[in-house]
Amino acid sequence: QKEVEQDPGPLSVPEGAIVSLNCTYSNSAFQYFMWYRQYSRKGPELLMYTYSSGNKEDGRFTAQVDKSSKYISLFIRDSQPSDSATYLCAMSENSGGSNYKLTFGKGTLLTVNP
Amino acid sequence: EPEVTQTPSHQVTQMGQEVILRCVPISNHLYFYWYRQILGQKVEFLVSFYNNEISEKSEIFDDQFSVERPDGSNFTLKIRSTKLEDSAMYFCASSRDRGPAGELFFGEGSRLTVL
Repeated sequence: QKEVEQDPGPLSVPEGAIVSLNCTYSNSAFQYFMWYRQYSRKGPELLMYTYSSGNKEDGRFTAQVDKSSKYISLFIRDSQPSDSATYLCAMSENSGGSNYKLTFGKGTLLTVNP
Repeated sequence: EPEVTQTPSHQVTQMGQEVILRCVPISNHLYFYWYRQILGQKVEFLVSFYNNEISEKSEIFDDQFSVERPDGSNFTLKIRSTKLEDSAMYFCASSRDRGPAGELFFGEGSRLTVL
């Protein structure tokens, strides 16, 4: 079983829709969970991170973590055409080294149509 | 806004040649990283670097790879003898803290094509 699984999509929604993006993982040692956005030909850009089960909200974005099910989600409300990008989930253990040794999902390509 | 800059944006090389990819991390950052993304695949951790030494590396980062911070600003990834399977986008990243309270900033990437 792969460490982090993410449906690659592509996902196409109309402007204003609620988008749900998901990842599952198998490694119980993952403690930190992040969502990155990657525009074409650009580097990943951090959207949100969390380290506890539950919800975290930032504007139109909500990150949800369920450690018991090893499942994380990102919800985008009132989606905009500018949200069109690839969304990557990423996770890390609380190791003695850097917590930025990230394990990424494959990314979901999202298109929001005006 | 501070950013991580990478050069070159695209490099084409022949198999067996040495390649150096360069990065200028954000100036007050202390932790430096290389990740790579083979076309259509996941972004993968290669190596992290702190206080002038490697702090962690993945099994991908074998003896043909090396990293260096030759001066106060640049951070380089050297691939000694490139193979076809080294073709990928290489991302440099930096952070002020060891994480995760800080933030990991990625550059725009250097695309390496090995022929």
